Amino acid sequence: GAVVSQHPSWVICKSGTSVKIECRSLDFQATTMFWYRQFPKQSLMLMATSNEGSKATYEQGVEKDKFLINHASLTLSTLTVTSAHPEDSSFYICSARLGGGLDTQYFGPGTRLTVL
Amino acid sequence: QQQVKQSPQSLIVQKGGISIINCAYENTAFDYFPWYQQFPGKGPALLIAIRPDVSEKKEGRFTISFNKSAKQFSLHIMDSQPGDSATYFCAARNKAAGNKLTFGGGTRVLVKP
Repeated sequence: GAVVSQHPSWVICKSGTSVKIECRSLDFQATTMFWYRQFPKQSLMLMATSNEGSKATYEQGVEKDKFLINHASLTLSTLTVTSAHPEDSSFYICSARLGGGLDTQYFGPGTRLTVL
Repeated sequence: QQQVKQSPQSLIVQKGGISIINCAYENTAFDYFPWYQQFPGKGPALLIAIRPDVSEKKEGRFTISFNKSAKQFSLHIMDSQPGDSATYFCAARNKAAGNKLTFGGGTRVLVKP
């Protein structure tokens, strides 16, 4: 159990376009999902916390208008990178919080974004 | 400010050996300490986790040792196998801060056959 999926697994886009990444919890409901960014050979950097039905909470230094997050249902959160530029190229990973006794985060497989 | 410090950055161990990764934290509000394993191009996978009221937890070949007074915890991988070659991240959760996870810098483990 506790499977989280992401789509797409990789995407290449031109500079200036917008890209949407989906994160789904497949076998549980997640009131909270998190979005991370990871550069090569580095640790995960939390970008924002996404709560179902409310606005996302962004970490300091993360542009809200650049990285739009929507958590419309208990199993789906989306991250839209607007007007993407080459410096936005990165590995984006979501996680979903499984509450209750375990109360831990399960991660998706990640999405590799390359902006040309 | 790095709230969770992880060492070493990289580790080479022979097959059958023990891999040891250490983490230290400062924030006493952390209440849950998971370890994640990540293979290249994949998302992190939960390996094992411990709460601060427990000093040790073992699951198969993986053991967490936790020292609350020293604010340190470590991961031991017994009988290391080539398939264990991956990057390992320790993390610490602050439930009072929205259940955010703070990650260590990661340790790249290479198990030589």
